[in-house]
Amino acid sequence: NAGVTQTPKFRVLKTGQSMTLLCAQDMNHEYMYWYRQDPGMGLRLIHYSVGEGTTAKGEVPDGYNVSRLKKQNFLLGLESAAPSQTSVYFCASSRQTGAAGNQPQHFGDGTRLSIL
Amino acid sequence: AQSVSQHNHHVILSEAASLELGCNYSYGGTVNLFWYVQYPGQHLQLLLKYFSGDPLVKGIKGFEAEFIKSKFSFNLRKPSVQWSDTAEYFCAVNHRGFQKLVFGTGTRLLVSP
Repeated sequence: NAGVTQTPKFRVLKTGQSMTLLCAQDMNHEYMYWYRQDPGMGLRLIHYSVGEGTTAKGEVPDGYNVSRLKKQNFLLGLESAAPSQTSVYFCASSRQTGAAGNQPQHFGDGTRLSIL
Repeated sequence: AQSVSQHNHHVILSEAASLELGCNYSYGGTVNLFWYVQYPGQHLQLLLKYFSGDPLVKGIKGFEAEFIKSKFSFNLRKPSVQWSDTAEYFCAVNHRGFQKLVFGTGTRLLVSP
């Protein structure tokens, strides 16, 4: 059972370079999320998607773009990387929640990104 | 702004000691509450969750948490920790009907053998 798979696992970029992080889930989940994890700050939501073709901004969206062209994939793009974007990035997915909002999120293993 | 506070940033315990990690949230309405654990080098895993009913919930690996609505708290407990419990623990909260989770800053637990 793959669950949530993130690629790549590690990457080093130079300031100004661009890259795309890929998240794939095989659980047929409707909702997908991108977080960044920084020391002492926990997880902060970057963008999320409640279905194929839809995306929305989270808590810290600046400098990132996302796309959800297929239900199972959620891409996070950095158009012009900055040192402040050095972080560990986690993707998560969950079932559609309805009114309760109580579906737990399932996380990938993370991508460690360093911007020099 | 909605927030989740975990006041213990680092906790060091010896094996067999009891554990209690604090979590307080600032929401006024009906909430869903979660505790996640992140073992070194791994992704977050769900420990337990509370949606409704009995405010004392039991999770995996002997963990439990108690929801106290009047105190806006959802503290995590374990009677006797093991070395394998060394990890970072995150409390998370969302409003009913609103899927976005707000995470606390995490508590790093180190259990010495």
